Amino acid sequence: GDSVTQKEGLVTLTEGLPVMLNCTYQTIYSNAFLFWYVHYLNESPRLLLKSSTDNKRTEHQGFHATLHKSSSSFHLQKSSAQLSDSALYYCALSDRGTGNYKYVFGAGTRLKVIA
Amino acid sequence: NAGVIQTPRHKVTGKGQEATLWCEPISGHSAVFWYRQTIVQGLEFLTYFRNQAPIDDSGMPKERFSAQMPNQSHSTLKIQSTQPQDSAVYLCASSFPGRSDYTFGSGTRLLVI
Repeated sequence: GDSVTQKEGLVTLTEGLPVMLNCTYQTIYSNAFLFWYVHYLNESPRLLLKSSTDNKRTEHQGFHATLHKSSSSFHLQKSSAQLSDSALYYCALSDRGTGNYKYVFGAGTRLKVIA
Repeated sequence: NAGVIQTPRHKVTGKGQEATLWCEPISGHSAVFWYRQTIVQGLEFLTYFRNQAPIDDSGMPKERFSAQMPNQSHSTLKIQSTQPQDSAVYLCASSFPGRSDYTFGSGTRLLVI
């Protein structure tokens, strides 16, 4: 079945340093959507980025990611971490080709930004 | 737009009791999803409705979990004979027809003691 791997459970960064959260996936379907959701404490998870287009950079709120189907990756990046970026980040996969819109989530990466 | 509304926000039940969790999707959203969030497992898919019809319940523990969507304005997740391992945050999400991204509710934190 489909799977999403986020190898880092916790990433601790000093404010101002670049952010890179890794996401790789496995699916047999070619028409997959990849997502990044951010979950701040005491809030609902919300969509940060999504993409289904190979090799196209997508950006939102200072974060960016590029879907690379050749390496099955969708890493989340930001040039400069801010204290307010501290949150839980989930990478997710949805196979549009099946007509089933459920997600397979990675285990999540907790980003902790320190001063 | 009040977003996806989940009630209650917190629920404590004794082992063996029943728990019913409620979700009100955003008006016009025809797809409703239930997920369970734990520290160990992260976010796990439970079940999915489209236009009130069950589409995929492959993530539901078969024996004690059930979900319904009796009308377009709410869905319920019922857990019978709750066990401590059912303790988790249960998240409901909804989406427009054909849209791939969801709007999540704030979740119900269930604690089974």
